[in-house]
Amino acid sequence: GAGVSQSPRYKVAKRGQDVALRCDPISGHVSLFWYQQALGQGPEFLTYFQNEAQLDKSGLPSDRFFAERPEGSVSTLKIQRTQQEDSAVYLCASRSDYGDTQYFGPGTRLTVL
Amino acid sequence: AQSVTQLDSHVSVSEGTPVLLRCNYSSSYSPSLFWYVQHPNKGLQLLLKYTSAATLVKGINGFEAEFKKSETSFHLTKPSAHMSDAAEYFCVVMKTSYDKVIFGPGTSLSVIP
Repeated sequence: GAGVSQSPRYKVAKRGQDVALRCDPISGHVSLFWYQQALGQGPEFLTYFQNEAQLDKSGLPSDRFFAERPEGSVSTLKIQRTQQEDSAVYLCASRSDYGDTQYFGPGTRLTVL
Repeated sequence: AQSVTQLDSHVSVSEGTPVLLRCNYSSSYSPSLFWYVQHPNKGLQLLLKYTSAATLVKGINGFEAEFKKSETSFHLTKPSAHMSDAAEYFCVVMKTSYDKVIFGPGTSLSVIP
């Protein structure tokens, strides 16, 4: 079956631009997670949704970062007024209600110039 | 608070020789533990997981890991390395009572022909 998909795969933005990153989870998966992976480091948790409810956003680095999942399926991570330090791979993962394994998408590589 | 330590940032082995990637964790809960692999420009793939059943866990591609509570370790092993095993490996800890996961910094595995 289809896995987690993310788009775009690559995004180049000029500093100060807004960007929107999309995640399509595995169909029927209740939980959705966003992570930020800087070059040479492990992924770091950003935020977590259960259905449409954002239950944890403690990892969002600033108020320029905003995530939503209005219908409990597709999610969008928005970054306003991008800065160079936002350059990273943004990973999305989903999980069913019946297990503890998170399934990851291929990520979106964001480069801020 | 939870944390994960991967003792080696880089491991190099010859093809056909054993692989050992070390992971130590700290957790105030009985944790769930995972190993993920990340090939270049690809998404994270689950290798195996420990969730308080058998302490020796077998995963895909011949990998296995042993949970040792007394040593707070969850080292990943494989008897014979293959060229296709070259990748980045992440040890991950998750609270059983919550959904947030913590990634280790990763170990880069190189396999020499």
